Amino acid sequence: QVQLVQSGAEVKKPGASVKISCKASGYTFTNFYMHWVRQAPGQGLEWMGVITPSGDNTNYAQKFQGRVTITRETSTSTLYMELSGLRSEDTAVYYCTRSIEYWGQGTLVTVSS
Amino acid sequence: VLTQSPGTLSLSPGERATLSCRASQSVNNDYLAWHQQKPGQAPRLLIYGASNTTTGIPDRFSGSGSGTDFTLTISRLEPEDFAVYYCQQYGSTPYAFGQGTKLEIK
Repeated sequence: QVQLVQSGAEVKKPGASVKISCKASGYTFTNFYMHWVRQAPGQGLEWMGVITPSGDNTNYAQKFQGRVTITRETSTSTLYMELSGLRSEDTAVYYCTRSIEYWGQGTLVTVSS
Repeated sequence: VLTQSPGTLSLSPGERATLSCRASQSVNNDYLAWHQQKPGQAPRLLIYGASNTTTGIPDRFSGSGSGTDFTLTISRLEPEDFAVYYCQQYGSTPYAFGQGTKLEIK
């Protein structure tokens, strides 16, 4: 069965960077687009960006351009999302998704001084 | 931009729920999905391609619509259906979400 297992919660100071991982299993990793979505506390879902199956192309929401980098490592079937220049408004649960179908369990990132 | 209405819907078990999602421009290929999210859980895909139900989703859930106007209908509400529902367009980037409709027990 398809599984997306994300790395654990993170606490970061303003201005720092965070890199979250998402390990995929149960399917051929290189066959699917992968996305990142975030959800601030008590708020709705916000699409951040996508990476192609081969990893050679990305597309980011304009809001995150210049601050977010999505990568994938084929050898380990792992997806990554790095967000830099963290501010308090980046406090959220971050989800990886396979296309629109499957969701990881979420990773809470807390940005606090 | 996707606009969902109503923001909150208060109904009783056994009643019919109708949730709306309106896009500011036509959704390519009617690539419109509906996700359900319960407190403390990741969202779950219910409907894709506007009207196709994901495997394992009860047949009381149905989706309809095309172009800019889409609807999620739950024919007879069960206690486990009370949750937040999001529409999402995936016809072109950015794959935006609606702001959500909270379905609460009356």
